[in-house]
Amino acid sequence: ETGVTQSPTHLIKTRGQQVTLRCSSQSGHNTVSWYQQALGQGPQFIFQYYREEENGRGNFPPRFSGLQFPNYSSELNVNALELDDSALYLCASSLVPNTEAFFGQGTRLTVV
Amino acid sequence: QKEVEQNSGPLSVPEGAIASLNCTYSDRGSQSFFWYRQYSGKSPELIMSIYSNGDKEDGRFTAQLNKASQYVSLLIRDSQPSDSATYLCAVNRLGQGGKLIFGQGTELSVKP
Repeated sequence: ETGVTQSPTHLIKTRGQQVTLRCSSQSGHNTVSWYQQALGQGPQFIFQYYREEENGRGNFPPRFSGLQFPNYSSELNVNALELDDSALYLCASSLVPNTEAFFGQGTRLTVV
Repeated sequence: QKEVEQNSGPLSVPEGAIASLNCTYSDRGSQSFFWYRQYSGKSPELIMSIYSNGDKEDGRFTAQLNKASQYVSLLIRDSQPSDSATYLCAVNRLGQGGKLIFGQGTELSVKP
């Protein structure tokens, strides 16, 4: 059984640029959630996709957007990057919403 | 008041002792409760899930839930140095788009 995989693992971007992060969900899981984790803090919910539709969204501005594909993989896009966007971005997959969530290894984004 | 609160620690216990990690939550409608372990520089790893009042045991780990007191805890028996990590408490409520709300984590250090 393949676990949750994310790419890339590390990324450095310049303020104002755009970035796309990718996530492949665990086999059999149709739900993907994205979280942002700042240093020393717990993960903060960005949004969730269930069967290619956005199922819920946290308190993040519209420049954070996402997609889920028919194979249930997902992308997180962030436009107009700000220095405060520097964080660990985590993808988690679940069998269905509101069940156990399993995280990928994360993408460390640094905005300079 | 934070939605999910944990003692930030660090909590230090000797090898072989019982480590007790605590978490309180503010939303009485919360229905699912999870403990994650996060090693430094890594992503969260699901340890336990608990949905009803009482105790749930899995190996050296026991999760305890008391919905009336809005309290969930994790006990680690026979603590090992490899248990040294940050432990994250997360709660979920139906109707919130699958959102997991995390505490800030408790750092555990197990001394040989």
